[in-house]
Amino acid sequence: QSVLTQPPSASGTPGQRVTISCSGSGSNIGSNYVNWYQQFPGTAPKLLVYRNIQRPSGVPDRFSGSKSGTSVSLAISGLRSEDEADYYCAAWDDSLRGWVFGGGTKVTVL
Amino acid sequence: QVQLVQSGAEVKKPGASVKVSCKASGDTFSNFDINWVRQAPGQGLESMGWMNPNSGNAASAQKFLGRVTMTRNTSIRTVYMELSGLRSEDTAVYYCARMDYGDNGGGKWFDPWGQGTLVTVSS
Repeated sequence: QSVLTQPPSASGTPGQRVTISCSGSGSNIGSNYVNWYQQFPGTAPKLLVYRNIQRPSGVPDRFSGSKSGTSVSLAISGLRSEDEADYYCAAWDDSLRGWVFGGGTKVTVL
Repeated sequence: QVQLVQSGAEVKKPGASVKVSCKASGDTFSNFDINWVRQAPGQGLESMGWMNPNSGNAASAQKFLGRVTMTRNTSIRTVYMELSGLRSEDTAVYYCARMDYGDNGGGKWFDPWGQGTLVTVSS
């Protein structure tokens, strides 16, 4: 059971907008920044969004993060086949004094 | 541009220990904490702990207290994670990742990640 809650799957057709939610509590998302990671099968995770909304250089602006209270969302607009991957949210938890992750969301392009 | 290169796959018997290395190249080594994250087959990501290569200070997640030891050798820019008392449920890919924090604005994040080390625990 992950501390942060994500839907196990999400899907869309090419060009559509897909949104992935991640909910937590006051000790993690409510009081700390959230980061998102993208992972393709058999490879290491890669940083996709940090500080809730910021993108590292090289990450397309089709990926965008948002935050409201104890929940965050990752939106993928103009969905492409190469976006098929697992997506994880992560945050520091003040109560656990450690990093916590969501269970991951598998995005499928139909 | 920092890169993290991890040691190769390991097969261990239950009760044994495994030591995974993570070598940094291309950037300042000691200024950033190195985190360890594992992923069991078909499962999500789980933080194990972190250490500061400069000071040697380390902290492990509650779940791994007493079983994980993190060390470093600064002369070869390498950090190590040793997990003892292995059981079948420790079968996983183990990743190291640098904890970056940018110039200002607060927050920390894992970037980059090592390529991962598969540890298989089987009798």
